[in-house]
Amino acid sequence: EPEVTQTPSHQVTQMGQEVILRCVPISNHLYFYWYRQILGQKVEFLVSFYNNEISEKSEIFDDQFSVERPDGSNFTLKIRSTKLEDSAMYFCASLALLANKETQYFGPGTRLLVL
Amino acid sequence: RKEVEQDPGPFNVPEGATVAFNCTYSNSASQSFFWYRQDCRKEPKLLMSVYSSGNEDGRFTAQLNRASQYISLLIRDSKLSDSATYLCVVRRGSGNTGKLIFGQGTTLQVKP
Repeated sequence: EPEVTQTPSHQVTQMGQEVILRCVPISNHLYFYWYRQILGQKVEFLVSFYNNEISEKSEIFDDQFSVERPDGSNFTLKIRSTKLEDSAMYFCASLALLANKETQYFGPGTRLLVL
Repeated sequence: RKEVEQDPGPFNVPEGATVAFNCTYSNSASQSFFWYRQDCRKEPKLLMSVYSSGNEDGRFTAQLNRASQYISLLIRDSKLSDSATYLCVVRRGSGNTGKLIFGQGTTLQVKP
């Protein structure tokens, strides 16, 4: 079965550094999402993306965050200047609108640790 | 008030037991409902969608009460492999593309 993939699986960075988290959604999917999960907390929506535009973003998704689909296959989340509180698991998800497949499929996540 | 509320547990049950999880949601505009399963340090995986008429998938039964804004999951004949965190999830917005809103999750530990 096709899967969403994410790289890297783990990233450690210094506060203030830029990080780019990469995702390869399932190939025929059209809608893309980023979620994050701080350790011990619930999964939280960050942003949704369709047709090369942000569809919706949460309050968490401030000016330090950006998303891009640079080449038609990758979907990236950039954090411009990381803060300690950005430490979390970041999940990418994608969605196809087929008759019986209406839900989002999640990638394995990137664990980000900001020191 | 949290938009999706679940009892965090943990629920510790013996193999073969029946266990029920409950969930309430606050936003009546929620359109679709799901149970996801999350293993430790892994991604959420869809367990089942929840329909108003109730639905069953093997040992798992889900119920939705829109009037009470209440969702449930029943697991019969628990297996060791059912040990995980069960996430109650609602989707808001029109169509099927809206964001997912997750509950905190309910932890299940099935013991031999």
